[in-house]
Amino acid sequence: GAGVSQSPSNKVTEKGKDVELRCDPISGHTALYWYRQSLGQGLEFLIYFQGNSAPDKSGLPSDRFSAERTGGSVSTLTIQRTQQEDSAVYLCASSFTSGTGELFFGEGSRLTVL
Amino acid sequence: QQQVKQSPQSLIVQKGGISIINCAYENTAFDYFPWYQQFPGKGPALLIAIRPDVSEKKEGRFTISFNKSAKQFSLHIMDSQPGDSATYFCAARRFTGNQFYFGTGTSLTVIP
Repeated sequence: GAGVSQSPSNKVTEKGKDVELRCDPISGHTALYWYRQSLGQGLEFLIYFQGNSAPDKSGLPSDRFSAERTGGSVSTLTIQRTQQEDSAVYLCASSFTSGTGELFFGEGSRLTVL
Repeated sequence: QQQVKQSPQSLIVQKGGISIINCAYENTAFDYFPWYQQFPGKGPALLIAIRPDVSEKKEGRFTISFNKSAKQFSLHIMDSQPGDSATYFCAARRFTGNQFYFGTGTSLTVIP
């Protein structure tokens, strides 16, 4: 079975441009998370989707960041008017919500804003 | 506000030695404490996890020690190997909302 798939794996953009990052979770996983990992930093929570419930957006750093999850599966993280401080690896994870809820991570999308 | 505090930031250990990474938390609503291992260019992967009703869990060379009263837990890697060189993250899950909070990570280097 496939793991969590993220695309693109690398994205270089110019300051001020919009970018979209995609996450395809493991089939059947009802929970989906986005985290940001900056160089030498830990995992910064961005947003969490659980089934059909309203997402927990409490980690989004600014209104330039948004995310959606269509049909309870694929998710897209959008960053508008990118800034250099947005440069980071964006990690997506999915899980079942029952049991331990182990997170399965994708390999991330590395974003570089010039 | 860092919900889970992790130390040290980096660690260098000789092959065969013991690697110890420590984490502390404040929120008593956490009910699950996993450790994740991350190799360069890869996403983190679950290494070992513990629930707060257990004081120790061992899987092979990896052991979690958990002190509920002190709100601390640690990862011990026995007989450390160069292949263990990676970044390690501790985490805690808040059951309500199924939200995970991660430490800032420890970069482990095991010298042959």
